[in-house]
Amino acid sequence: AQSVSQHNHHVILSEAASLELGCNYSYGGTVNLFWYVQYPGQHLQLLLKYFSGDPLVKGIKGFEAEFIKSKFSFNLRKPSVQWSDTAEYFCAVSANQAGTALIFGKGTTLSVSS
Amino acid sequence: GAVVSQHPSWVICKSGTSVKIECRSLDFQATTMFWYRQFPKQSLMLMATSNEGSKATYEQGVEKDKFLINHASLTLSTLTVTSAHPEDSSFYICSARDRVPQWGYTFGSGTRLTVV
Repeated sequence: AQSVSQHNHHVILSEAASLELGCNYSYGGTVNLFWYVQYPGQHLQLLLKYFSGDPLVKGIKGFEAEFIKSKFSFNLRKPSVQWSDTAEYFCAVSANQAGTALIFGKGTTLSVSS
Repeated sequence: GAVVSQHPSWVICKSGTSVKIECRSLDFQATTMFWYRQFPKQSLMLMATSNEGSKATYEQGVEKDKFLINHASLTLSTLTVTSAHPEDSSFYICSARDRVPQWGYTFGSGTRLTVV
């Protein structure tokens, strides 16, 4: 079964700082990878996803992530964060098979000060 | 992408009673649906995988007799929390994989359950 590890529990940044959130997964087969964001009091929102092709994936709100197969990693990046990026960020993985569930990491809380 | 409708959005029940949560796929047939639970300030934890016409597959540590899942049709899966207790208070979310796999997953809007 697949599993996801997010190394950063809580990240605190100032506005305009660069962001990188780590995500590593464990699974021996082909995976699909996702990053979701959850703003306070709101539902999950998909930031970006990777299925195949270019390992550098661009998502919404200026976020991007790079799939490094050799490192089993899918780190999320943003060159310059804003106060409005304050939220909970979840990395998730699913096996590339029909009927398989999405497994979430424990999440990273991002706090951006203005 | 596909649409998954989840009801109710919130429910308050007395300890010892049962609560049913419905999840419908509106514009596609979801042969498999997934149920998650999210406690405050925590991640989504997969509870079970619901398969149409067969028994659900529960994750380790999830009591199948307490969380009854029924997937009687291709568009409806239900989660019944039986004999609810305050510790069952949580946010329950259903999900299905989009009919086009590369679209990813679609989520219901969730149900906030409060057991008093």
